[in-house]
Amino acid sequence: SQKIEQNSEALNIQEGKTATLTCNYTNYSPAYLQWYRQDPGRGPVFLLLIRENEKEKRKERLKVTFDTTLKQSLFHITASQPADSATYLCALDTGTASKLTFGTGTRLQVTL
Amino acid sequence: DAGVTQSPTHLIKTRGQQVTLRCSPISGHKSVSWYQQVLGQGPQFIFQYYEKEERGRGNFPDRFSARQFPNYSSELNVNALLLGDSALYLCASSLVRGEWTEAFFGQGTRLTVV
Repeated sequence: SQKIEQNSEALNIQEGKTATLTCNYTNYSPAYLQWYRQDPGRGPVFLLLIRENEKEKRKERLKVTFDTTLKQSLFHITASQPADSATYLCALDTGTASKLTFGTGTRLQVTL
Repeated sequence: DAGVTQSPTHLIKTRGQQVTLRCSPISGHKSVSWYQQVLGQGPQFIFQYYEKEERGRGNFPDRFSARQFPNYSSELNVNALLLGDSALYLCASSLVRGEWTEAFFGQGTRLTVV
């Protein structure tokens, strides 16, 4: 069966460090992989998209990698700040983002 | 520009009742999708509508139905509510950006079934 796994345990890191979140999937062939941020009681907000033929994508302090052989995406936040504390969701997109398949999300807590 | 708006923000219903949730997409967006997010889980796809036609349906029972109106707003209906229907219901409107589509989510409707 199709499965998307993200670290279910919260990730706690110190301000200024790099946070690395993992998204693993099985039995999918996504055209794209998207990352979203979700704050408590709010809807997800789009952060980054990476295509299946791209290895890496950057946006300001964010970096995403996509390894279709390992079926894994890594999401990095460099120089993390307390304001980065949120739940981060990966979502697989087969080409119509109107139907996204989400992972369970990883909660990131950045402390001073 | 207003984002995706959903109403109501919170709702408490009794088992067996019916509920209607509403969504207004961003102006110019013709596609609306509905997701259910149970506490501690990621959103799960329920429906997608484009130009008033159903384009996709997730693995949800027939108690769930939806429709899209000429102004692209949408309603999600759930009949015969169960305790397990308690969740955050998210609406997303989509903007086509070349070969991929970006989804914009509303703040959600928190449904509690008692």
